[in-house]
Amino acid sequence: AQSVSQHNHHVILSEAASLELGCNYSYGGTVNLFWYVQYPGQHLQLLLKYFSGDPLVKGIKGFEAEFIKSKFSFNLRKPSVQWSDTAEYFCAVNFMEYGNKLVFGAGTILRVKS
Amino acid sequence: GAVVSQHPSRVICKSGTSVKIECRSLDFQATTMFWYRQFPKQSLMLMATSNEGSKATYEQGVEKDKFLINHASLTLSTLTVTSAHPEDSSFYICSARDPSGSTEQYFGPGTRLTVT
Repeated sequence: AQSVSQHNHHVILSEAASLELGCNYSYGGTVNLFWYVQYPGQHLQLLLKYFSGDPLVKGIKGFEAEFIKSKFSFNLRKPSVQWSDTAEYFCAVNFMEYGNKLVFGAGTILRVKS
Repeated sequence: GAVVSQHPSRVICKSGTSVKIECRSLDFQATTMFWYRQFPKQSLMLMATSNEGSKATYEQGVEKDKFLINHASLTLSTLTVTSAHPEDSSFYICSARDPSGSTEQYFGPGTRLTVT
């Protein structure tokens, strides 16, 4: 079965620290990749997405992610986090051979200390 | 950007009753919508895919007679939890597929269901 793994469930960082959240998926076929963010009390918002082309994707709010096909990974990065980045982050994958649905990782709760 | 709304945001119902949750795409037409369930401190689990004008496709383990989905128009999908039980208490989230045809989805704010 298709699956998505996020390795860190809780991450605590100080402001200005660098962030990297891991995301791996289980399948070697064609995929579309997404990172969503859920701020406290708010709905899921898209941070960035990868469909094809340059494997380094830049998203909103200074986030970026790199698709490494050989590692089945799509890690999220930000060079310097802010207190306002405190939120839960979800990696989601569309395994294209299995239709239009998204499979979500378990999520990573990020807390940034000011 | 594309906006998806849900109503109600919170609902409390008694065990054995039914409750309907609405999902609307506000500024675009959505031929495909999705219904997810999110348990506390867990990820989103897809329940079903809702296609306008046809029957919903349910994920394995989801009871279609308990979770009735109707997608009667291009801007509205409804999820009805029938004969609700306390274990149905959860956060239900809908999304709509990008109208351009990509696999991106736009998410609603969710509905917190509590069954007493």
